[in-house]
Amino acid sequence: EPEVTQTPSHQVTQMGQEVILRCVPISNHLYFYWYRQILGQKVEFLVSFYNNEISEKSEIFDDQFSVERPDGSNFTLKIRSTKLEDSAMYFCASSVTGLAGRELFFGEGSRLTVL
Amino acid sequence: AQSVTQLDSQVPVFEEAPVELRCNYSSSVSVYLFWYVQYPNQGLQLLLKYLSGSTLVKGINGFEAEFNKSQTSFHLRKPSVHISDTAEYFCAVSDQGAQKLVFGQGTRLTINP
Repeated sequence: EPEVTQTPSHQVTQMGQEVILRCVPISNHLYFYWYRQILGQKVEFLVSFYNNEISEKSEIFDDQFSVERPDGSNFTLKIRSTKLEDSAMYFCASSVTGLAGRELFFGEGSRLTVL
Repeated sequence: AQSVTQLDSQVPVFEEAPVELRCNYSSSVSVYLFWYVQYPNQGLQLLLKYLSGSTLVKGINGFEAEFNKSQTSFHLRKPSVHISDTAEYFCAVSDQGAQKLVFGQGTRLTINP
């Protein structure tokens, strides 16, 4: 069964360092998303991406964050200068034709720890 | 603004007992509603969704949910739970036409033998 894969599963970094989280969405999917979950809190939407551009983003997704689809298979989330409060589980998701009526397929998450 | 409230952070039940996980939402427009499950060390998996039509929605693993517009609720039920249902369950809402899901805080379902 096709699945969304994320790497790394866990990354520890120092405050101020750049981090790139990688995702391989399901191959025929066209919409891509990043969500995050700070420990003990809700899963929060960060950004949606379609046709090589951001289609929607949340207030959390400020200038420190960026997304990219560098090739036909990967979808990356970059945090330029990490802060302590960026420590969270980051989930990538993809869907065939967008959220309306369609299922989002989530990866297992990348846990980011900022020291 | 949308919001989702899951009234119970933890629900312990005995195996083969029925369970209901409660979810209430607020939104000023028409919505889609979802329940996701997260098993330990895994990603979120869709259990069921309400888009339109019948207010009783059936999902995987014997779960069902009922959309109640007047009460702005979307409670999840299962008539008889198994040990394997132990997981975290998330209710989520999306405005029709939007691209983001708004999640509740999750309910941890624990099944006791």
